[in-house]
Amino acid sequence: GAVVSQHPSRVICKSGTSVKIECRSLDFQATTMFWYRQFPKQSLMLMATSNEGSKATYEQGVEKDKFLINHASLTLSTLTVTSAHPEDSSFYICSARDPGTGMNTQYFGPGTRLTVL
Amino acid sequence: SQKIEQNSEALNIQEGKTATLTCNYTNYSPAYLQWYRQDPGRGPVFLLLIRENEKEKRKERLKVTFDTTLKQSLFHITASQPADSATYLCALSRDDKIIFGKGTRLHILP
Repeated sequence: GAVVSQHPSRVICKSGTSVKIECRSLDFQATTMFWYRQFPKQSLMLMATSNEGSKATYEQGVEKDKFLINHASLTLSTLTVTSAHPEDSSFYICSARDPGTGMNTQYFGPGTRLTVL
Repeated sequence: SQKIEQNSEALNIQEGKTATLTCNYTNYSPAYLQWYRQDPGRGPVFLLLIRENEKEKRKERLKVTFDTTLKQSLFHITASQPADSATYLCALSRDDKIIFGKGTRLHILP
């Protein structure tokens, strides 16, 4: 299947700092990528849909000024958590849909564990 | 609002037996239903997709059924192995968005 990478895999930061997470599709071009957050023993919650060359679409309750998304190319989307606080600590996962498959299947990155002290 | 329920938070199955996981949903008419595997600290891995007009899909030791009348999907792993131990997520979609269940943690006991 298609491969999606994320970087970094783990980050620890101080409260008030900003953290950038990268999501790359390695062997296909993704016009649309998705950002999820997952708390322990909970389901993946969609935060936003990242569209190449246009603004991201945020889900209800997700602050767009706090979670900045940039999808500058067909293989890269970034999520920046601005002024991070301990409650932002979570597992952040990106995914991309491979249009070449013709199916509504998303391929997920390995995730980024964010810990805000 | 849309709701997905996976019947068990955790399930223990003896090695070699068939593991059956259940996914029920309400207030939704998905075009696709998917099953993913997630290992601790990792992103989900796609396993199978079944369309609304399909009843059953198989892949090696995996079998998925989809009953749109009952609003239910069953996920079977035959001849289960300890390496099958993981969390299995049910997911529904109609357009680009996917809605996930909380998952069932499956433990295959040697």
